[in-house]
Amino acid sequence: DQQVKQNSPSLSVQEGRISILNCDYTNSMFDYFLWYKKYPAEGPTFLISISSIKDKNEDGRFTVFLNKSAKHLSLHIVPSQPGDSAVYFCAASLGNNNDMRFGAGTRLTVKP
Amino acid sequence: KAGVTQTPRYLIKTRGQQVTLSCSPISGHRSVSWYQQTPGQGLQFLFEYFSETQRNKGNFPGRFSGRQFSNSRSEMNVSTLELGDSALYLCASSTTTGTGYGYTFGSGTRLTVV
Repeated sequence: DQQVKQNSPSLSVQEGRISILNCDYTNSMFDYFLWYKKYPAEGPTFLISISSIKDKNEDGRFTVFLNKSAKHLSLHIVPSQPGDSAVYFCAASLGNNNDMRFGAGTRLTVKP
Repeated sequence: KAGVTQTPRYLIKTRGQQVTLSCSPISGHRSVSWYQQTPGQGLQFLFEYFSETQRNKGNFPGRFSGRQFSNSRSEMNVSTLELGDSALYLCASSTTTGTGYGYTFGSGTRLTVV
């Protein structure tokens, strides 16, 4: 049962343009959402998060948007840089525990 | 400070064997969670240990088990290995249990079952 879905396995954008990574979820009880970035041969690293009481959170070039009615969140990277090339996972958690549900990941390639 | 250390990095086992993976969390972190990563499935939660007690468990068969020691180091054991158990196993540590923003992941153990 895939409660968190990333329907695009890959995304390619030009350096300097905007990257938009999408994530859908099915459980309306999720109350915390996170994005992780993963480089090859490394573990995922936390990027940005948003609680269900907000609809936007911004951290430098990274902004996460949450649309609760559509059960959809997205990660915007502006401007995209070649170093952003990685696999991005979205995750959701239910309540105060570390049982997070991850999507399958989207491989972002930023071309110089 | 040292990150999360997982050993070994790579492992090849035969079907039917058992395997034990180790995770040393960041000093001071008391929560350790384990995930399985397979292509197309993302990261799937196995279980979480906090202060030597299993706090949460994912939807995996009983062949997958774990434990945590008093120094917060954790081990994961898989018995009667199947080909489908081939995956990257990641552990993550955090200071407390609850919301993954404080997670730090290790680099993982790549298990191949032949």
